[in-house]
Amino acid sequence: GIQVEQSPPDLILQEGANSTLRCNFSDSVNNLQWFHQNPWGQLINLFYIPSGTKQNGRLSATTVATERYSLLYISSSQTTDSGVYFCAGDTGGFKTIFGAGTRLFVKA
Amino acid sequence: NAGVTQTPKFQVLKTGQSMTLQCAQDMNHNSMYWYRQDPGMGLRLIYYSASEGTTDKGEVPNGYNVSRLNKREFSLRLESAAPSQTSVYFCASIGQGWYEQYFGPGTRLTVT
Repeated sequence: GIQVEQSPPDLILQEGANSTLRCNFSDSVNNLQWFHQNPWGQLINLFYIPSGTKQNGRLSATTVATERYSLLYISSSQTTDSGVYFCAGDTGGFKTIFGAGTRLFVKA
Repeated sequence: NAGVTQTPKFQVLKTGQSMTLQCAQDMNHNSMYWYRQDPGMGLRLIYYSASEGTTDKGEVPNGYNVSRLNKREFSLRLESAAPSQTSVYFCASIGQGWYEQYFGPGTRLTVT
């Protein structure tokens, strides 16, 4: 089956720093999404981004579908950005596959 | 508009006991999902329901059954709980056209 690799697995940032998270897929995927899981366990959809670039405040995401990867950019990080970031996609139909996540800790 | 709700929030079971996790959404979404999340891992799909009246297996369906009771509700049943089913269970829904997937708050299940 399809493999989803996220890097880095762990990341510690000083407040105000920028970062790039990466998601690689072993095969073409549809409906690529990025999620944030906060320290209380709640999952929030950040971006639905099957291709192209989107921005939402300090966050932006780029998906290059032909090369099977997606990037999540966090600028001017804040302590509230801490948590786990997941990417997910499907290969057709409804079976969504998640990556293992990038655990981010932002220090004040 | 409550979004996706799950009950219970926490549950402790003994090995061999059964229980049903409830999920409901009020967004008129067609598709609903059950995932499990184990420590340090991403979410794995247990079952999904593409539309009312249909259910299909996901990545890890063994030991679980589901019922799509109506368009709003999608339940997950553990017939004979095992310690390996200790996990956090998330329900999610998505509307027609594949856009954002909305998640419930999760159920933390411990099987002793």
